[in-house]
Amino acid sequence: EVKLVESGGGLVQPGRSLKLSCAASGFSFNDYWMGWVRQAPGKGLEWIGEINQDSSTINYTPSLKDKFTISRDNAQNTLYLQMSKLGSEDTAIYYCASVSVHYVMDAWGQGASVTVSS
Amino acid sequence: DIQMTQSPASLSASLGETVTIECRASEDIYNGLAWYQQKPGKSPQLLIYNANSLHTGVPSRFSGSGSGTQYSLKINSLQSEDVASYFCQQYYDYPYTFGAGTKLELK
Repeated sequence: EVKLVESGGGLVQPGRSLKLSCAASGFSFNDYWMGWVRQAPGKGLEWIGEINQDSSTINYTPSLKDKFTISRDNAQNTLYLQMSKLGSEDTAIYYCASVSVHYVMDAWGQGASVTVSS
Repeated sequence: DIQMTQSPASLSASLGETVTIECRASEDIYNGLAWYQQKPGKSPQLLIYNANSLHTGVPSRFSGSGSGTQYSLKINSLQSEDVASYFCQQYYDYPYTFGAGTKLELK
């Protein structure tokens, strides 16, 4: 069974950084693209970006490219999202997801809640 | 960026009814369109990919259609467990973008 478990969320002050992790199991992690999506409270889904199997290609939504960094450790079956210069607009639930051979996110984690507030 | 315009924003329907949700892309996305279902307090779940391909395990009452810039999700014989928000997503070109969502409730 595919399982994705996010961690590292919490309350963070404006301007600070935070790193989320996504532990993957139940599939061959290093064979798949992986991605991040976020959802602000009561709002829709926002695609953050995706990383390929060997980290040679990473695509971001342009508005977040200078703030967020996606990385992965295939030896640890873990995906990461490094977030910097956080503002209140970054308050959201952050989901990691695996990307299928059809280029869509076919398995999602339960989400990590990030609240940016002083 | 490709803009995805989804309608309606909310929808109220009765059990057994057929429901249709629309999604329009700002340019041709060549069937690079997925539909996701998100139940309250849960993660999104993939329903449809390639505009009309049903994801594994998704009930056959869900179907997708469309081409070019116009796509739709149809739910036949609405069930209580279909109460959720539905989002379209284009994955034809980066950055991938989602529609604003449709909240489906029971009448």
